[in-house]
Amino acid sequence: NAGVTQTPKFQVLKTGQSMTLQCAQDMNHEYMSWYRQDPGMGLRLIHYSVGAGITDQGEVPNGYNVSRSTTEDFPLRLLSAAPSQTSVYFCASGRSGDEQFFGPGTRLTVL
Amino acid sequence: GQNIDQPTEMTATEGAIVQINCTYQTSGFNGLFWYQQHAGEAPTFLSYNVLDGLEEKGRFSSFLSRSKGYSYLLLKELQMKDSASYLCAVTGNTNAGKSTFGDGTTLTVKP
Repeated sequence: NAGVTQTPKFQVLKTGQSMTLQCAQDMNHEYMSWYRQDPGMGLRLIHYSVGAGITDQGEVPNGYNVSRSTTEDFPLRLLSAAPSQTSVYFCASGRSGDEQFFGPGTRLTVL
Repeated sequence: GQNIDQPTEMTATEGAIVQINCTYQTSGFNGLFWYQQHAGEAPTFLSYNVLDGLEEKGRFSSFLSRSKGYSYLLLKELQMKDSASYLCAVTGNTNAGKSTFGDGTTLTVKP
């Protein structure tokens, strides 16, 4: 049981490049979320999903897209990277009314 | 919307007791989570309060007052390994995947 896995662990992009952050969970959780965490701050919700085929926006969705074709996978796409998207990105999964399990994070730098 | 306030930093001595407060204002409330996050790592679940009152779990306890929009995390018999950031998070519905996080309280435990 690997829990929540994220790849890559580190990434450096140039402004304007696009990329996809991968997230997978093997706990059959219906809920999955993407957060970003800037230095000294809490987590801000980007997008979340309540099940395969269902996604919705969080607090800071601009510049990001998601899709949920399977229960296990929830990739986050950066459409055109900007320096303001330099952050640590956490993926999480959970069940209704229950705790969230977080992946190890992806540290992204946009130059 | 939701607004969550926590102290930015706290310092305590090994073996002592510390209380970390969290106040919130929400348009809808289902429950409140506390997570622990060590530097450079992902958050991990500590507690979840839905009803008013105190929940005790070993050295850690969490309290909730829904009418006052107030919670606290109580850490007893502090250990050096308790030095971490403590995040308060509120869910507005039964979907734990849509949580709003406070900015976290950085606790430093000194010998």
